[in-house]
Amino acid sequence: SQTIHQWPATLVQPVGSPLSLECTVEGTSNPNLYWYRQAAGRGLQLLFYSVGIGQISSEVPQNLSASRPQDRQFILSSKKLLLSDSGFYLCAWSTGLNQPQHFGDGTRLSIL
Amino acid sequence: GESVGLHLPTLSVQEGDNSIINCAYSNSASDYFIWYKQESGKGPQFIIDIRSNMDKRQGQRVTVLLNKTVKHLSLQIAATQPGDSAVYFCADLNSGTYKYIFGTGTRLKVLA
Repeated sequence: SQTIHQWPATLVQPVGSPLSLECTVEGTSNPNLYWYRQAAGRGLQLLFYSVGIGQISSEVPQNLSASRPQDRQFILSSKKLLLSDSGFYLCAWSTGLNQPQHFGDGTRLSIL
Repeated sequence: GESVGLHLPTLSVQEGDNSIINCAYSNSASDYFIWYKQESGKGPQFIIDIRSNMDKRQGQRVTVLLNKTVKHLSLQIAATQPGDSAVYFCADLNSGTYKYIFGTGTRLKVLA
């Protein structure tokens, strides 16, 4: 069966520091991969999605970037974190369009 | 703009009763809909989906109803159990895109 892993589960970082959140999927090939941010009391906001290795689409221009170095690996990065980057970050995968997205358990990021 | 909303932010039901959670969407081009369950500190968990060519779909103890005329979606949970306590939210997908629109969620509380 397919599984998705995100780490770390929680992260506390100072303002201006870099960020790297990793997501890996097992048990499937060539998945669509997604990064979301979830703010309290608000719906999930799509940040990036990828339909293949090296293919990244950005939905919201901001202080973050994403990369897909391998088929089942998706990385969310920042060179310099801002206070506003705090939040709950979720990675998801799907087999394609019009298919359910399956989420990891997220990373709670706090910026001090 | 596109929006997915919920009529009730919190729903309290007695254990054993049926629960109904509602969702409205505004994009008439949406043709795929999903319900998710999210427990505290976890990622959203896929419950059930429905496509626009259907009005009803049943799973284990759950039923999703789609009314395209009034752009309304509902999730019915039969014989609600304490383990059903969570936030439930719907998502709709604009046909041919990767962008899901997620609602903010309804918190379901199951009373013993």
